Amino acid sequence: QSVLTQPPSVSAAPGQKVTISCSGSSSNIGNNYVSWYQQLPGTAPKLLIYDNNKRPSGIPDRFSGSKSGTSATLGITGLQTGDEADYYCGTWDSSLSGEVFGGGTKLTVL
Amino acid sequence: QVQFVQSGAEVKKPGASVMVSCRASGYTFTTYPLHWVRQAPGQRLEWMGWIDAGNGNTKYSQKFQGRVTITRDTSASTAYMELSSLRSEDTAVYYCARLGEGGAWGQGTLVTVSS
Repeated sequence: QSVLTQPPSVSAAPGQKVTISCSGSSSNIGNNYVSWYQQLPGTAPKLLIYDNNKRPSGIPDRFSGSKSGTSATLGITGLQTGDEADYYCGTWDSSLSGEVFGGGTKLTVL
Repeated sequence: QVQFVQSGAEVKKPGASVMVSCRASGYTFTTYPLHWVRQAPGQRLEWMGWIDAGNGNTKYSQKFQGRVTITRDTSASTAYMELSSLRSEDTAVYYCARLGEGGAWGQGTLVTVSS
């Protein structure tokens, strides 16, 4: 069982927008920065968002992040078939003194 | 850019140990902590521990305490993760990663534990 809770799957049509939620607690999301990762099939995770809402260079502005209280959200606009992947949230947990990840959300672009 | 190159796939018998290496490039190795994360087939990401590459201090997940050892060689900009007393449930892809700003992940090393 993951410390951070994500929906197992989301889907939307090409060109549409989708959001993926990540719910935690005061010991993790509530007091620490959240990152989001994209994992394409058979590849390593790739950093999409760090510090709740910042994008590394090279990540298109179709990807956005936000945080409110003990929850975080990843938004993806202008969906493309190439966005089909698993998406994970991650953050530090002060109680566990370790990094924690969500269970992952599989995005299907119909 | 920040890059990590990991050692190749391993097949081990139950009870054995495995060591995975992770060579860093594109940044000053000693200025960022390096984490190890594993992913069993079809499962979520699972944090194992990290090392302060500057002073060598480590912190391990309680789940792996006593079985995992993370070390580094600053002259080679390389970190190592050794997992002992392997069991079938340890079959997974093991990643090294720099998390947060400037983050990047290694390509992963598949460790298969089978008799």
